[in-house]
Amino acid sequence: GQQLNQSPQSMFIQEGEDVSMNCTSSSIFNTWLWYKQDPGEGPVLLIALYKAGELTSNGRLTAQFGITRKDSFLNISASIPSDVGIYFCAGRPNDYKLSFGAGTTVTVRA
Amino acid sequence: SAVISQKPSRDICQRGTSLTIQCQVDSQVTMMFWYRQQPGQSLTLIATANQGSEATYESGFVIDKFPISRPNLTFSTLTVSNMSPEDSSIYLCSGGDSSYEQYFGPGTRLTVT
Repeated sequence: GQQLNQSPQSMFIQEGEDVSMNCTSSSIFNTWLWYKQDPGEGPVLLIALYKAGELTSNGRLTAQFGITRKDSFLNISASIPSDVGIYFCAGRPNDYKLSFGAGTTVTVRA
Repeated sequence: SAVISQKPSRDICQRGTSLTIQCQVDSQVTMMFWYRQQPGQSLTLIATANQGSEATYESGFVIDKFPISRPNLTFSTLTVSNMSPEDSSIYLCSGGDSSYEQYFGPGTRLTVT
């Protein structure tokens, strides 16, 4: 699959803080998806993006599909302890298979 | 959205044996996939489970080692054959439509001793 560069690899955030993570690709993608995985669980879909420039929110989460179609970012506003977990970006180029980023591990300082 | 369940949730198996993992989706889905996830790592696609035909395997994965069945649009199985300790991992099933959202099961945690 395509290589996705996800950053940062990990972050410690203060409760109440706004944070951001992003993914870039060397290829154009038609779909970007953001997932969260808690320990011992499967990834849970947070946000799906389908069009360049699209900005979509899900509660305190906001994600954008970059206008070049080669990047996406995810923002978490007003962090809370349950935001702890691993966040994965995933992109789909021109077929049905997803490529995943390496993940961003989020730890919240209370 | 689709709700996906997997059985077993975890297992400890002996070297040389085989384990079959079941994946059930609560609604018909076009596509079903099997992934492997090493602890602390990202997801690696093993294969696409095709309904009524042979699965499509990714580079590095072969049918003899990971036979897959998909008899209908809501069910699939993955068998990990002739297991070795290197097969210890989390195996995840997912499903969805080809161009839209893809949902994951809770995973099967396999330990091979």
